Amino acid sequence: AQKVTQAQTEISVVEKEDVTLDCVYETRDTTYYLFWYKQPPSGELVFLIRRNSFDEQNEISGRYSWNFQKSTSSFNFTITASQVVDSAVYFCALSGTGYSSASKIIFGSGTRLSIRP
Amino acid sequence: EAGVAQSPRYKIIEKRQSVAFWCNPISGHATLYWYQQILGQGPKLLIQFQNNGVVDDSQLPKDRFSAERLKGVDSTLKIQPAKLEDSAVYLCASSPGTSGVHLYNEQFFGPGTRLTVL
Repeated sequence: AQKVTQAQTEISVVEKEDVTLDCVYETRDTTYYLFWYKQPPSGELVFLIRRNSFDEQNEISGRYSWNFQKSTSSFNFTITASQVVDSAVYFCALSGTGYSSASKIIFGSGTRLSIRP
Repeated sequence: EAGVAQSPRYKIIEKRQSVAFWCNPISGHATLYWYQQILGQGPKLLIQFQNNGVVDDSQLPKDRFSAERLKGVDSTLKIQPAKLEDSAVYLCASSPGTSGVHLYNEQFFGPGTRLTVL
């Protein structure tokens, strides 16, 4: 069975601090996709990143960076120099890569991030 | 390019009443998804359409939920009769390709419909 665990329910930091959101996943698939989505107060889910399981390189995009460690089944997300606009609920997610499983995304329960001015 | 449209944005009903939600995907997107997001949880897939056919409805409570996408474009999700536990945000998403042709298709989400059942 596939499962995504986001142990941090809520995080609150002061603006400009760095913050890391943890994600641990379980899957029996040998290949899979990992995702992060952002859900601002407006409600729409905004796609941030997709990572294929055979690509273990870490990725940086502006103030965002992702650390994928297959050995510990973790895919953590770090925001550097956080801003108030980063306040949202962040979801980590997992899918297969097969014919039908690629579109079946399993979401974690989310981490609510609040950035205080 | 217009995003995924959903209506209504909010709906309050009493238990045992019926309710319907509407979704218009991004133009040209073949695949449409309905998700249920209960407060404090991540979205859960209810049903996936490819054009006007159902690909996966394994998690749809078929005794009370139904969905259709008759012309392969917009879609409606209906709950009849509603229960208290149906209170949630119902998200619609669409993606460009079809399963098997592209193994991965980014899903684009609409703003959701927040349903409160009293």
